[in-house]
This record gives sequence, C-alpha cells and structure tokens, in this order.
Amino acid sequence: GQQLNQSPQSMFIQEGEDVSMNCTSSSIFNTWLWYKQDPGEGPVLLIALYKAGELTSNGRLTAQFGITRKDSFLNISASIPSDVGIYFCAGPLGDKVIFGPGTSLSVIP
Amino acid sequence: EPEVTQTPSHQVTQMGQEVILRCVPISNHLYFYWYRQILGQKVEFLVSFYNNEISEKSEIFDDQFSVERPDGSNFTLKIRSTKLEDSAMYFCASSGGRLNTEAFFGQGTRLTVV
Repeated sequence: GQQLNQSPQSMFIQEGEDVSMNCTSSSIFNTWLWYKQDPGEGPVLLIALYKAGELTSNGRLTAQFGITRKDSFLNISASIPSDVGIYFCAGPLGDKVIFGPGTSLSVIP
Repeated sequence: EPEVTQTPSHQVTQMGQEVILRCVPISNHLYFYWYRQILGQKVEFLVSFYNNEISEKSEIFDDQFSVERPDGSNFTLKIRSTKLEDSAMYFCASSGGRLNTEAFFGQGTRLTVV
C-alpha cells in the first residue's frame, strides 16, 4: 500500500547545530504535515503545507513542500535540548492521514 | 486552545477482557480517528469516522474493534477479547474538514494487556 519514507532514521547532534530531515513518497500528496512526538505523548502538529514549492516557517522550524509533490523537508535551526523527540511526516490519503516511520532526534547539550 | 482529550491515560486489562477507550474530539471538528502506536514503532491508522459512520478502516481494524459516537461529544473505541499484541498507545484525533488535513491528536491511552 501507500507509504511514506523518512530519513535519516535517527540523528544525534550537538546543541546549536542545524538539522535537516526529509520525507518521500512514491505517490503524490496534496498536503504534507509535520508532527513532533515527545515520549509518552501524542503527536503535535508543527507545520502544514498545502502547495507544491511552498516554504513555511514556524519559529526555528522551516518546512518545504517538494515541487514533485512526492517529498517534503523539515529543517530545524539552532537546535536546543527540547527539540528532542520523534518527527513524523504525514499526509492525507482518502479518509485517513498516514504517517512515516519517523526520525528520532537527540540533542547533546 | 481546543484540544482532544482521552481517558483513561493508562489501562491495564487481562487477556480476553473487553476495553473501551474514550475520546472527546475538538467540538467543531467533523472527522474522528483512532490510531495505534506499538512501542517504538510508527503511528498506524485504525479507523476514520464521519457523519456517524466509519468512512475508512485499516486491515488492523477487524471484528475485534468497533467505534461509536454515543452522544454529541464522545467518540469511543471498543476492543473485544483483548490479546497481548493489542498492547500499545491508542491515539484519538480529529480534523475539521473534508480534506482531512491538520489532524489534532489526544495524549493517548496506554493499553497494557496482561
């Protein structure tokens, strides 16, 4: 079935560094969503993208909707310890939202 | 800020028992969902619910599962005859429009089957 792929699977970075992660699909999506999940909690929506080529920021986070509509990128600038968590990309497919496997981010103070 | 609320936060049940997980979606939302996340794995879709009926369900959502919106605010997931492998975090979510974008999630119920 349809699936989303994310890379890298995990990242270990120093506090203050910039982070980049991406999400790809074999199918076209009309919307890309990026969520963050802290341990033991539900996913929290960070950014929603609706248009191919769109670049949207939310504080230190920037996400882009790929021109091909088959990928999206999330960048985090000047990482801080509270950025630790799992970042999921997601997209609507029929009457559901499907999720990628996630990128686990660890920030070393 | 409106939020999705789930109860209980933790549920321990014996294998073979039935459990009901409860959710109060955001009040003006139209689509409701249940997702499951086994420890360390990705968030998996179970079912979506619109206009008082199931609009889509995954292969996971077999006859063991059912959903209900018994009144204007609650949305429940019933799991009959629980199995060990049903142990997971169960998340409820809701979204506002037909395009199913921007789903907002509850904090989850951690179900442990022993």
